[in-house]
Amino acid sequence: EDQVTQSPEALRLQEGESSSLNCSYTVSGLRGLFWYRQDPGKGPEFLFTLYSAGEEKEKERLKATLTKKESFLHITAPKPEDSATYLCAVQARNYGQNFVFGPGTRLSVLP
Amino acid sequence: DAGITQSPRHKVTETGTPVTLRCHQTENHRYMYWYRQDPGHGLRLIHYSYGVKDTDKGEVSDGYSVSRSKTEDFLLTLESATSSQTSVYFCAISGPRQGPNTIYFGEGSWLTVV
Repeated sequence: EDQVTQSPEALRLQEGESSSLNCSYTVSGLRGLFWYRQDPGKGPEFLFTLYSAGEEKEKERLKATLTKKESFLHITAPKPEDSATYLCAVQARNYGQNFVFGPGTRLSVLP
Repeated sequence: DAGITQSPRHKVTETGTPVTLRCHQTENHRYMYWYRQDPGHGLRLIHYSYGVKDTDKGEVSDGYSVSRSKTEDFLLTLESATSSQTSVYFCAISGPRQGPNTIYFGEGSWLTVV
């Protein structure tokens, strides 16, 4: 069964304490893996798209990587403003235009 | 700013009444989507559209209908609202802004059915 899972469910970090969020997927024919940031009361904000294993993308303190089974979102020296829920989503060939989302990781960065 | 406007942003309605949510885009993208987001379930696709008058069902389409008479507008209708449809509804579009198939979201419509 195709699915997308994320771990941990919630993560609390001290400011400056680097860590990684995981997104695992079991789909066939991956067309793309997407990372989003969602703040409370807001819509998800696009961060990265990864298309093939080995690909990496960076933006400020965030770096996303992709393997054949999972993706990691690495957060280097986080700041309190990085606190948000991080969502990953996949688009696969047998989903048509559907993007399937994981449940998210709720990140809190304490000053 | 993804060029997506949702209305209304907040609505309280009574069980059994019809409700229509509107999504308007200024990007001229072909694909438009309606998702709902609920605790414990994440974002789930309700319906999507791949062109004017071309729509298809998603994972949780029961109780919902959609229409797209213009490229820029995608309407989601709850024919007879139920309490289980209390949720946050997100409209999204996808197109080649930063790469093919990337999906962008609106700010959401909070619907409470009492």
